[in-house]
Amino acid sequence: AQSVTQLDSHVSVSEGTPVLLRCNYSSSYSPSLFWYVQHPNKGLQLLLKYTSAATLVKGINGFEAEFKKSETSFHLTKPSAHMSDAAEYFCVVTASGTYKYIFGTGTRLKVLA
Amino acid sequence: DSGVTQTPKHLITATGQRVTLRCSPRSGDLSVYWYQQSLDQGLQFLIQYYNGEERAKGNILERFSAQQFPDLHSELNLSSLELGDSALYFCASSPRRQGAGELFFGEGSRLTVL
Repeated sequence: AQSVTQLDSHVSVSEGTPVLLRCNYSSSYSPSLFWYVQHPNKGLQLLLKYTSAATLVKGINGFEAEFKKSETSFHLTKPSAHMSDAAEYFCVVTASGTYKYIFGTGTRLKVLA
Repeated sequence: DSGVTQTPKHLITATGQRVTLRCSPRSGDLSVYWYQQSLDQGLQFLIQYYNGEERAKGNILERFSAQQFPDLHSELNLSSLELGDSALYFCASSPRRQGAGELFFGEGSRLTVL
């Protein structure tokens, strides 16, 4: 069985400060993990993905995430927030051999000027 | 641009009516997934098709049905609409039959039932 938990439903940061969005997962198989971003009235866009290669994954727009098997975590970080980062972020887990993509409940990121 | 096209972008209809949402996957992608996104339920998986065949069902109501055509586009049919069916409906495509690869999402069809 697989599950994903996004630990914060809302995160507020000031522009120029670091961003941390937390995601814990559970998977009976070797997982593939993704972070997606959704801007208002838009579809979901892939930020980055982990598929059993390097544990530190770099994505678009300066985001990165680290796969930590011992902590079953896949937290999303960015060194310096930009106003355009304000959006909803979804952590997703799946595994080879299953059709299921399990979405977290989302974290809404607010960036303050 | 993900390469996944959904139409219509917006749809307003009345309770009891029927609507059809259309999705064209990325060129070459054989899998199509449908999701419903609402404020109270979040993102809910509805159904998956692979190369014209239904592969998996999620929380899809009996009033809803879908199909994937030989040209790989897919349609989601929603009938006997209720107020609670108002939501954003997303289509996503993937080249794979099963998981591990990323999904590519369309921009969604926003359905409002009055």
